[in-house]
Amino acid sequence: EAGVAQSPRYKIIEKRQSVAFWCNPISGHATLYWYQQILGQGPKLLIQFQNNGVVDDSQLPKDRFSAERLKGVDSTLKIQPAKLEDSAVYLCASRTGRPGGRDTGELFFGEGSRLTVL
Amino acid sequence: SQQGEEDPQALSIQEGENATMNCSYKTSINNLQWYRQNSGRGLVHLILIRSNEREKHSGRLRVTLDTSKKSSSLLITASRAADTASYFCATGANGAQKLVFGQGTRLTINP
Repeated sequence: EAGVAQSPRYKIIEKRQSVAFWCNPISGHATLYWYQQILGQGPKLLIQFQNNGVVDDSQLPKDRFSAERLKGVDSTLKIQPAKLEDSAVYLCASRTGRPGGRDTGELFFGEGSRLTVL
Repeated sequence: SQQGEEDPQALSIQEGENATMNCSYKTSINNLQWYRQNSGRGLVHLILIRSNEREKHSGRLRVTLDTSKKSSSLLITASRAADTASYFCATGANGAQKLVFGQGTRLTINP
């Protein structure tokens, strides 16, 4: 079974520029998450999708961050314009999330996209 | 906002010794999970314990949960150099599928 795929692995941009990250979850996983992990800290949830609908985006800075999962499969996270404090690793995770399905509660993470804003 | 707080923030032990990490949380939970993160990599699920369970084992891992104290501990027995990583607890609340992670414990196993 293929894991969660993310790209790019690394990105360096100047502040006020824009950047986009892509995530392809494990096939059949209905729930997709984007987490932000600042160096030395734990992951912080930015947004959670159930299929193509948003379940929780309460901690997403909506003035600069946006995310979509149009067909309920892969997802993109965009930052525009970037700030210095956006330097972090952006982790995508997926989960079975199907009612009545074999949902163990476990999240499967990708390797992350490391963003450096100069 | 971070729900869990791990203690200690960093732990360094000799290979073969046991490592114990603690996690405290604030609100009611449905389950608590532990994840490992090697440097520069994504998180890997280790073990899940439900709110009605008190102890769970998986290989060299032992997790306990005390809902009255809102705390959990992760014990790694007979540590190996490959166990060097950051360990995070994450809590899941009733009716929600999101996980809220703590700040993590950085574990170093010295050969």
